[in-house]
Amino acid sequence: RKEVEQDPGPFNVPEGATVAFNCTYSNSASQSFFWYRQDCRKEPKLLMSVYSSGNEDGRFTAQLNRASQYISLLIRDSKLSDSATYLCVVNRVARAGGTSYGKLTFGQGTILTVHP
Amino acid sequence: DADVTQTPRNRITKTGKRIMLECSQTKGHDRMYWYRQDPGLGLRLIYYSFDVKDINKGEISDGYSVSRQAQAKFSLSLESAIPNQTALYFCATSEKRSSGANVLTFGAGSRLTVL
Repeated sequence: RKEVEQDPGPFNVPEGATVAFNCTYSNSASQSFFWYRQDCRKEPKLLMSVYSSGNEDGRFTAQLNRASQYISLLIRDSKLSDSATYLCVVNRVARAGGTSYGKLTFGQGTILTVHP
Repeated sequence: DADVTQTPRNRITKTGKRIMLECSQTKGHDRMYWYRQDPGLGLRLIYYSFDVKDINKGEISDGYSVSRQAQAKFSLSLESAIPNQTALYFCATSEKRSSGANVLTFGAGSRLTVL
């Protein structure tokens, strides 16, 4: 089983739609969680962190359910510019050579296309 | 100028050739990483470094080597390239944090094709 799993999509939605992406993680020691956005042929960029109580940033809402090891991203009022791949990223503490660090594991990404 | 710069951005080479991908950063971050991205597989960590001359293997280090001779530079080498190393390679940096929110800043990527 992959450590981080996402529905790859693609999701094709009209402008103005609400769309939700899900992500599950297998390691219960995971401590922090993120959504990154990656435009076609570009580098990933941080979209938002995911907090235990859930958090919102404009049209974007992220939720975390630690008991079910599940993360979600909700996009309201979709725009054409939201078309991208959304990467679920999970962080846990690891050690290498006596140094603690945050080890990130990326999901394969969910493709979103918003059409007129 | 970009915070994290990768060169070359695109490279086509032949099987058996030695290839070096360069990464430089102006973020002042201690930690640097090399990832590869393949369709359907997401980003996978090749090597990472916490400081100058510190090198650690990631999940897919076979066939690759790295060098960190300066804080701002982290290079990735393929000693003898093979076709299944065809991929999009990303360099990334992060601040030094022991456990918490570990936000990565990525370079624009280097697309490598091995024929």
